[in-house]
Amino acid sequence: KAGVTQTPRYLIKTRGQQVTLSCSPISGHRSVSWYQQTPGQGLQFLFEYFSETQRNKGNFPGRFSGRQFSNSRSEMNVSTLELGDSALYLCASSLGLVQGRTEAFFGQGTRLTVV
Amino acid sequence: TQLLEQSPQFLSIQEGENLTVYCNSSSVFSSLQWYRQEPGEGPVLLVTVVTGGEVKKLKRLTFQFGDARKDSSLHITAAQPGDTGLYLCAVAPGGQFYFGTGTSLTVIP
Repeated sequence: KAGVTQTPRYLIKTRGQQVTLSCSPISGHRSVSWYQQTPGQGLQFLFEYFSETQRNKGNFPGRFSGRQFSNSRSEMNVSTLELGDSALYLCASSLGLVQGRTEAFFGQGTRLTVV
Repeated sequence: TQLLEQSPQFLSIQEGENLTVYCNSSSVFSSLQWYRQEPGEGPVLLVTVVTGGEVKKLKRLTFQFGDARKDSSLHITAAQPGDTGLYLCAVAPGGQFYFGTGTSLTVIP
């Protein structure tokens, strides 16, 4: 079956602009999580959606927002871009907890560069 | 405070050497995953361990879950350049994933 698809793969934006990233999870997966990855900072959790509801949120400013649609596809939006938002943005999908275990499957990521 | 601490943070070794990376926590987990990430790509799931003391092998990679299910190790035998990447451990209590700080491995030909 198809894996997690993120679009676009690469994006260059100007400071102050806004951007929307898209993630299509594996068919049947209802949980979608977003992460920001920068050198030296590891994977920073942004938020998680399950069945169109935001279940968990990381410690990021309100400029970062997301949503999930009824088909489980998810988008994240960053408004008023700052240079520090340059990063690899990763989306992961999962089935959710099944007998106490779950596994995340990642997309290839969107490389965002803010200039 | 980081839920999962990995060590070492960086590792550079010659092809053919053996190595072990560690993932430690003070909390108990029902399962733990290991991922490998190559530059510019998303992490790829390697293995999930669920039982205390469990050992799983994936070719030259051996994964062990601690008896108390608080820690895990990844041992690579006869490392090859293709093993180069960032190794991440992760847990998902309650469904939200928490990733370790990562071990960046470079295998020099």
